[in-house]
Amino acid sequence: DQQVKQNSPSLSVQEGRISILNCDYTNSMFDYFLWYKKYPAEGPTFLISISSIKDKNEDGRFTVFLNKSAKHLSLHIVPSQPGDSAVYFCAASYQGGSEKLVFGKGTKLTVNP
Amino acid sequence: DGGITQSPKYLFRKEGQNVTLSCEQNLNHDAMYWYRQDPGQGLRLIYYSQIVNDFQKGDIAEGYSVSREKKESFPLTVTSAQKNPTAFYLCASSIGQFNQPQHFGDGTRLSIL
Repeated sequence: DQQVKQNSPSLSVQEGRISILNCDYTNSMFDYFLWYKKYPAEGPTFLISISSIKDKNEDGRFTVFLNKSAKHLSLHIVPSQPGDSAVYFCAASYQGGSEKLVFGKGTKLTVNP
Repeated sequence: DGGITQSPKYLFRKEGQNVTLSCEQNLNHDAMYWYRQDPGQGLRLIYYSQIVNDFQKGDIAEGYSVSREKKESFPLTVTSAQKNPTAFYLCASSIGQFNQPQHFGDGTRLSIL
């Protein structure tokens, strides 16, 4: 039973445009969400997070939106750069962080020059 | 620079052999984790430790063992009981609870000869 779903295995955008990566979850008890970025043969790098008490969090070019009623979150990258090409993982935890992270399968983003 | 070091980067194992993957961190983090990643899959938690001399099973602990004798070190042993050990193994650490961003090593790719 996949509790965190990233339904798009891949996404391709032009440099300078917006990239939107989506993530859906099924467990309404999740209260904290994180996005990680991963280059090939490297470990994931933390990108941005959001608590369920918020609906938006911004950090430079990266913004995460949370829609609790739809159990949906999205990561916006504006403007997209070729160096953003990587696999992006959505992860969720609940019970104030005392439970393990549940990861989605990832979305491979390709930003074309 | 603080970080997580996993060694070796590539590891080969013969059938029936145990093998130990090393993970060392100098971030002074209390919590450490081991994940497994298979192609096209998200990260799955094998074991985690929130304090020295204590650790808990994750989702896929069968065929694996760990120890946490020092704060800096969290080695993972892949035993012969693990029937499908070929995978990319990632070690991570964090300050405390799961909703704190985890810092990852660059991984060890284990293959069966």
